[in-house]
Amino acid sequence: GQSLEQPSEVTAVEGAIVQINCTYQTSGFYGLSWYQQHDGGAPTFLSYNALDGLEETGRFSSFLSRSDSYGYLLLQELQMKDSASYFCASGGATNKLIFGTGTLLAVQP
Amino acid sequence: DTEVTQTPKHLVMGMTNKKSLKCEQHMGHRAMYWYKQKAKKPPELMFVYSYEKLSINESVPSRFSPECPNSSLLNLHLHALQPEDSALYLCASSQNKNTEAFFGQGTRLTVV
Repeated sequence: GQSLEQPSEVTAVEGAIVQINCTYQTSGFYGLSWYQQHDGGAPTFLSYNALDGLEETGRFSSFLSRSDSYGYLLLQELQMKDSASYFCASGGATNKLIFGTGTLLAVQP
Repeated sequence: DTEVTQTPKHLVMGMTNKKSLKCEQHMGHRAMYWYKQKAKKPPELMFVYSYEKLSINESVPSRFSPECPNSSLLNLHLHALQPEDSALYLCASSQNKNTEAFFGQGTRLTVV
């Protein structure tokens, strides 16, 4: 089976840096992706790590350590619009894309 | 066109009704998904179609019946639903395993 665990809530202030962690147990691991979902909206893709290391996309970076079954999403220069739910997700040998438990990020002024 | 279009956006149905949710993508993606999402919970995988064939059914009750008429369309037929089936139903597509999945805006379903 697959399970991906995240902290349920994180709070940070505008302009700060925040890290959202994801620990996983999956069979046939094929990499870790991250999605953002605003309240009432659809999940949108942020980043994908197939290999260990850091991937940077603008203000967002994502990190993966396969040996530790761990990854994180790093958000820099936080803005109010970054307030949303963030999900890590992983597939396997098939197209079974499973989402983590989700982290609600609240950005405060 | 990087959109996944879902219709209807909202649906209210009685427990004896039959209705269908529709999803369309024109990105040439070969994998299409149905997810169910309850408030403040992650999307929960229901079905996966790969190359127009059902490849994954996550033990979903038979009152939900998926259909993939062609590579661009995905339907979810609903029959004899229960109030606890009220949720946001999301359709998604992707080109390859584990690469970027594109989601539609969802159908907010209420069963009365």
